[in-house]
Amino acid sequence: GQQVQQSPASLVLQEGENAELQCNFSTSLNSMQWFYQRPGGSLVSLFYNPSGTKHSGRLTSTTVIKERRSSLHISSSQTTDSGTYLCALETGNTGKLIFGLGTTLQVQP
Amino acid sequence: GPKVLQIPSHQIIDMGQMVTLNCDPVSNHLYFYWYKQILGQQMEFLVNFYNGKVMEKSKLFKDQFSVERPDGSYFTLKIQPTALEDSAVYFCASSLLTGGDAEQFFGPGTRLTVL
Repeated sequence: GQQVQQSPASLVLQEGENAELQCNFSTSLNSMQWFYQRPGGSLVSLFYNPSGTKHSGRLTSTTVIKERRSSLHISSSQTTDSGTYLCALETGNTGKLIFGLGTTLQVQP
Repeated sequence: GPKVLQIPSHQIIDMGQMVTLNCDPVSNHLYFYWYKQILGQQMEFLVNFYNGKVMEKSKLFKDQFSVERPDGSYFTLKIQPTALEDSAVYFCASSLLTGGDAEQFFGPGTRLTVL
């Protein structure tokens, strides 16, 4: 089965609402990264967060290793936040990232 | 943030031909990666490369695939010969370190279409 599971698979919000995206993993963790994938396909690194909580503007990432989960919180969503959010897990020492299937977010005006 | 460049952005070739995808990683990074994403599907690891050698490869990294980085030049992915199922977007990434202290930075991808 999937080593990295993301939920929900898709989410529709009205502009201004908050979103909570989840990433659960079934294996040990060396590091966790969150990416935003634009509709055109390019990837933007949002957070490198092996543990704890990190903030960047309207975004917050929290990784809890013992519970094998990481979350991405988007506050006051904007239409430009629409796209796919991917979490990726590094388990070994070679740097290989294992990606989840992603959460597709649509923010409506 | 640090930028990874990929050339070309799009490539269309006939099945059986050879193709080389080029990546210009972040200048002081030591570890290099290729990932493959078929349209609408999951991003999947292909291979990583350090100190002139492949460290790990997935089952997607077929015998027709090879990687290299001659000194000071691009990190390349070569496919020879190409097959229809190689059509995908190929992303290059690089990191300074690995093993839990190693944020990876991704290029914009090369969209490969094999006809």
